[in-house]
Amino acid sequence: DTEVTQTPKHLVMGMTNKKSLKCEQHMGHRAMYWYKQKAKKPPELMFVYSYEKLSINESVPSRFSPECPNSSLLNLHLHALQPEDSALYLCASSRDREAFFGQGTRLTVV
Amino acid sequence: DAKTTQPPSMDCAEGRAANLPCNHSTISGNEYVYWYRQIHSQGPQYIIHGLKNNETNEMASLIITEDRKSSTLILPHATLRDTAVYYCIVRAGTYKYIFGTGTRLKVLA
Repeated sequence: DTEVTQTPKHLVMGMTNKKSLKCEQHMGHRAMYWYKQKAKKPPELMFVYSYEKLSINESVPSRFSPECPNSSLLNLHLHALQPEDSALYLCASSRDREAFFGQGTRLTVV
Repeated sequence: DAKTTQPPSMDCAEGRAANLPCNHSTISGNEYVYWYRQIHSQGPQYIIHGLKNNETNEMASLIITEDRKSSTLILPHATLRDTAVYYCIVRAGTYKYIFGTGTRLKVLA
């Protein structure tokens, strides 16, 4: 099983809403990632968790809050987002070689 | 973190080899080069990676120059399904996969 599963696939939320994105992998990978991708741009790294601890935060605004409840799950909690936060949010996981990516959650902030 | 430079777009005839270049002149000695592709806003798909030596797998070949400042991804017999954005990545440290701007490859029938 080389799958990273992200839910939901699509999400529309208002600027005052609170929502969460979920990511799951069962490959035994100890590193998990969140990336943000705007249209026609490359994915940008947001956060990295290693062994369930946050190891990289690429100066992401606090309205994005990551959480790693266990080694298989990664959440991204969203609060008070702006329309410019609309993007494809990608989750990935890795052991010590290649990273595997999920299909993403397409987020629209209205 | 090492930065990568790729041509924005390339065309390739179906059945021919597609050669996608990448410049990574600031790469450090222990940083790996990875290639991914992304088809129409799906998640990026791993293709191949290498450190110093040339590498080949069932999808592609990776040629890294001796000074490691550039590399070329070779798709030996491109098909229409290979139309995608191809990203060259230098992995900084164990976890930092930093994407370059990518090359949009169009395979023509």
